[in-house]
Amino acid sequence: ETGVTQTPRHLVMGMTNKKSLKCEQHLGHNAMYWYKQSAKKPLELMFVYNFKEQTENNSVPSRFSPECPNSSHLFLHLHTLQPEDSALYLCASSQGQGQAQETQYFGPGTRLLVL
Amino acid sequence: AQKITQTQPGMFVQEKEAVTLDCTYDTSDPSYGLFWYKQPSSGEMIFLIYQGSYDQQNATEGRYSLNFQKARKSANLVISASQLGDSAMYFCAMREGVDNFNKFYFGSGTKLNVKP
Repeated sequence: ETGVTQTPRHLVMGMTNKKSLKCEQHLGHNAMYWYKQSAKKPLELMFVYNFKEQTENNSVPSRFSPECPNSSHLFLHLHTLQPEDSALYLCASSQGQGQAQETQYFGPGTRLLVL
Repeated sequence: AQKITQTQPGMFVQEKEAVTLDCTYDTSDPSYGLFWYKQPSSGEMIFLIYQGSYDQQNATEGRYSLNFQKARKSANLVISASQLGDSAMYFCAMREGVDNFNKFYFGSGTKLNVKP
């Protein structure tokens, strides 16, 4: 596998369920990101990890819980979500040097529907 | 103030013609990077082209070029010889400063439709 992969690609869950989204990057990067993309809204940065340490949490509700066990893997644990959390969740990675020219590479996303 | 502004929600272009997608940005940091991404209906964000704030020349990548006008704070994407497969959402993005992993901003996007 190359690039950034995400599983599952589609997920339907009830408000009382617990599920996890998985992201894996095969680019040798050290920074990983979770984004939320809702209809008709710009991408919202949720979490940033650099060298497995969380560097940013953009006021995300606690029903979203990230986990980064190593530089290649990133999880987003979901519990007691709301219907407004339905969106495309995108994972990205970058080199992790913090330079202005550092490009983020994205996975295909997980389309989440909360019923 | 918005960091990235894309004023064209939707655009149409005839196949084989060139099209320009507009992007303006707002930053007071002298060091920044500008990016364009393509998002087909499948959802994946595909990196297209990068322009650095200190770059003297406009970036080019195949059929994509970036018209960088620093004084006007604009970074328009030019797609030459449009193809049907270019139909997608296009997002302009900016990374601001250094050592700022959280300062990566996206515009609201432009939906491009290429007509046969």
